[in-house]
Amino acid sequence: EFVLTQSPGTLSLSPGERATLSCRASQSVSSNFLAWYQQKPGQAPRLLIYGASNRATGIPDRFSGSGSGTDFTLTISRVEPEDFAVYYCQQYGRSYTFGQGTKLDIK
Amino acid sequence: QITLKESGPTLVKPTQTLTLTCTFSGFSLNTSGVGVGWIRQPPGKALEWLALIYWDDVKRYSASLKSKSRVSITKETSKNQVVLTMTNMAPVDTATYFCAHKDSYGYGPFDYWGQGSLITVSS
Repeated sequence: EFVLTQSPGTLSLSPGERATLSCRASQSVSSNFLAWYQQKPGQAPRLLIYGASNRATGIPDRFSGSGSGTDFTLTISRVEPEDFAVYYCQQYGRSYTFGQGTKLDIK
Repeated sequence: QITLKESGPTLVKPTQTLTLTCTFSGFSLNTSGVGVGWIRQPPGKALEWLALIYWDDVKRYSASLKSKSRVSITKETSKNQVVLTMTNMAPVDTATYFCAHKDSYGYGPFDYWGQGSLITVSS
């Protein structure tokens, strides 16, 4: 069974700070087929990053993804007020698996 | 512009069968590489992928649900619809159910999502 573990569970930051979110896979993610989604309360998830490091259409460049194999990172260079949300990683190389999410909240 | 919308009952009794319809526009399920998937999210919990159907009618299911033969996915291309059927519903199946579009070979990320439909399982 493919497991994605996200850390931390909650990240408390002030606007303007840098956010670093981690996603660790229980086995290597084939071809770096790793995506990141943002979800705000009452809304559907929004695709931010695919292929580990490619920004989806319309995503601001303050969002960046990196990593390979089993360790991946989503970085928000300077957190804006609208970025406070829950973030999920997802592997799509072998079926689909989502992580349990990281909540980014206001400090 | 790609849009998707889920429709179906909001309340289902335990042991009943759930049928959800995803009606979409802005793309065709005849196009090579395109697929529509179903994902659910229990209140306050994480996302869980359920099923995916490809343009060529190939279907993929979550291993946990497939092993119990509880879920099936079909498409009605001429109506721009994808239908999810889930049998023997239980209270633990209470969740918001999303349908979503993907556009790449293999599994692929979901780049467009419906707004979601909250399904409550209760007697």
